Amino acid sequence: RKEVEQDPGPFNVPEGATVAFNCTYSNSASQSFFWYRQDCRKEPKLLMSVYSSGNEDGRFTAQLNRASQYISLLIRDSKLSDSATYLCAVNPPGTYKYIFGTGTRLKVLA
Amino acid sequence: DTAVSQTPKYLVTQMGNDKSIKCEQNLGHDTMYWYKQDSKKFLKIMFSYNNKELIINETVPNRFSPKSPDKAHLNLHINSLELGDSAVYFCASSQSETQYFGPGTRLLVL
Repeated sequence: RKEVEQDPGPFNVPEGATVAFNCTYSNSASQSFFWYRQDCRKEPKLLMSVYSSGNEDGRFTAQLNRASQYISLLIRDSKLSDSATYLCAVNPPGTYKYIFGTGTRLKVLA
Repeated sequence: DTAVSQTPKYLVTQMGNDKSIKCEQNLGHDTMYWYKQDSKKFLKIMFSYNNKELIINETVPNRFSPKSPDKAHLNLHINSLELGDSAVYFCASSQSETQYFGPGTRLLVL
């Protein structure tokens, strides 16, 4: 099993739709989780950290399911500008390492 | 003001050559990283330095040698370049858990 796995997509959704991505991780002791956004030919940028109780930032909601070892990202009311690749990252315990998933590509269509 | 900068942005070179990529961060962070993102967009950690000390060295060929002259700089030297080294190389820095990436260096080995 890969350390961090994501469905590569692409997810093609109409504007205004709600879309959700999941990311599974293999190390059950992992404590820190993140969602990054990467636009084409650009660097990854932190979208949001994922807290145990779940957290929201505007149209974006991140959740952690420890029992099933996955994190999720929900985007409500999708905008054309949300089109990008969304990478999850996991920081295994006791390391400075960040393990990234391969990313899920989102295309929001007009 | 650029937080994490890399030079050069593009690098096209012949197999067998030696090249260097430079990275600088002005965020005052203690930890810096090098990542490789291949054509399948998989972002993989290569090295990490904390206060000029190597703390992560993934299974990277020893043709790759990182050097951190001070906390704000982390350079990557690559000897005897191979076709498979073609990728985007991202530098990143972090203080707590958030990573900030540089714009990337697109390396093409011919």
